[in-house]
Amino acid sequence: TQLLEQSPQFLSIQEGENLTVYCNSSSVFSSLQWYRQEPGEGPVLLVTVVTGGEVKKLKRLTFQFGDARKDSSLHITAAQPGDTGLYLCAGYHSGSGNTGKLIFGQGTTLQVKP
Amino acid sequence: KAGVTQTPRYLIKTRGQQVTLSCSPISGHRSVSWYQQTPGQGLQFLFEYFSETQRNKGNFPGRFSGRQFSNSRSEMNVSTLELGDSALYLCASCPGPNTEAFFGQGTRLTVV
Repeated sequence: TQLLEQSPQFLSIQEGENLTVYCNSSSVFSSLQWYRQEPGEGPVLLVTVVTGGEVKKLKRLTFQFGDARKDSSLHITAAQPGDTGLYLCAGYHSGSGNTGKLIFGQGTTLQVKP
Repeated sequence: KAGVTQTPRYLIKTRGQQVTLSCSPISGHRSVSWYQQTPGQGLQFLFEYFSETQRNKGNFPGRFSGRQFSNSRSEMNVSTLELGDSALYLCASCPGPNTEAFFGQGTRLTVV
């Protein structure tokens, strides 16, 4: 079964705190993407990681792809209320049967209180 | 560059009816995929089209169908609507096979 387990499901923190969201699987992904979604809107792409061990930074957000390409993490430094939203990880498996099919984690709802 | 456009944004339908949703991908993107998002199941893959051909299909009943036109625009159709079909339907376009997916704002379908 191609599953992405995302944790935690809910996170409520104070402004200025740091946090990490994890995305884990027992199978290998050819690439993994992180999205942020606001209520009633479509997911907005934050980053794509492709290479095992890859680390990408987007301002206060740091994304890491595991060496074996089975897991990923999103770390936010000094969270701000504007970071509030649903964070989703999603990945592609290799193979013809997986063409165009993104596997999504269940999402992490982040609330940052002022 | 314009983003992915989905129409309509909101729909209310009665059980048993059918519905057609439309998606215009980013210019130059030939791959279009569809997803259903519900609170209980999250985002689930419906199908993917490339150059008017369906290349992959998720585990949904045959009531869910789609097509892609020569200009890469795509439509999905749900026939004999059920209450459980109420969801946010999302379309994504990709520049190439299994590359970054850019999503539209979605169509919120409510079946009553």
